[in-house]
Amino acid sequence: GNSVTQMEGPVTLSEEAFLTINCTYTATGYPSLFWYVQYPGEGLQLLLKATKADDKGSNKGFEATYRKETTSFHLEKGSVQVSDSAVYFCALSPALVGAQKLVFGQGTRLTINP
Amino acid sequence: EPEVTQTPSHQVTQMGQEVILRCVPISNHLYFYWYRQILGQKVEFLVSFYNNEISEKSEIFDDQFSVERPDGSNFTLKIRSTKLEDSAMYFCASSQRLAAYNEQFFGPGTRLTVL
Repeated sequence: GNSVTQMEGPVTLSEEAFLTINCTYTATGYPSLFWYVQYPGEGLQLLLKATKADDKGSNKGFEATYRKETTSFHLEKGSVQVSDSAVYFCALSPALVGAQKLVFGQGTRLTINP
Repeated sequence: EPEVTQTPSHQVTQMGQEVILRCVPISNHLYFYWYRQILGQKVEFLVSFYNNEISEKSEIFDDQFSVERPDGSNFTLKIRSTKLEDSAMYFCASSQRLAAYNEQFFGPGTRLTVL
């Protein structure tokens, strides 16, 4: 079946540190991959996506590359800010016609200290 | 910027009672979803809805659950007889087009507590 595994949280970093949140997936075919972010009191917001192997999604200084050979989609940012504190969710959408449901990882809580 | 809204933000109910969670999707979106997140666990897909019928549902979405789009704006999730294990955060989402890579826009969630 389809599943997503994220690194365990919480993650606490200092401002300007380098961030990596690991995400690996199990899926048949070629799923689309996503990172969603949830700020306190808000809904999940799409941060970035990649729809095929070797695609790199990027937004707000965050990047993730779709690696089919390692079935991974790790989230990275070179220099984090306090405002990046949030919960980050890796997700996939199965590569089936008409299937649009998202399969989520467990989420990683990130706290950035000034 | 258009957004998905959900009401109430927090619902407390007694076991066995019916609850209705409400969502207003983005106005020109055609596809609607419910997800839930039990505390400390993953966000799980419940159901998708298009053209006034269910497109897909998970095994969680049993006969106790139903969805409805009663008018042109609201999308509701009803739980007929709540159980303790239904306590969770429920997220509504909507999307404009049907495609695996199409963005789903999420609401802020309703926290359901069953006592």
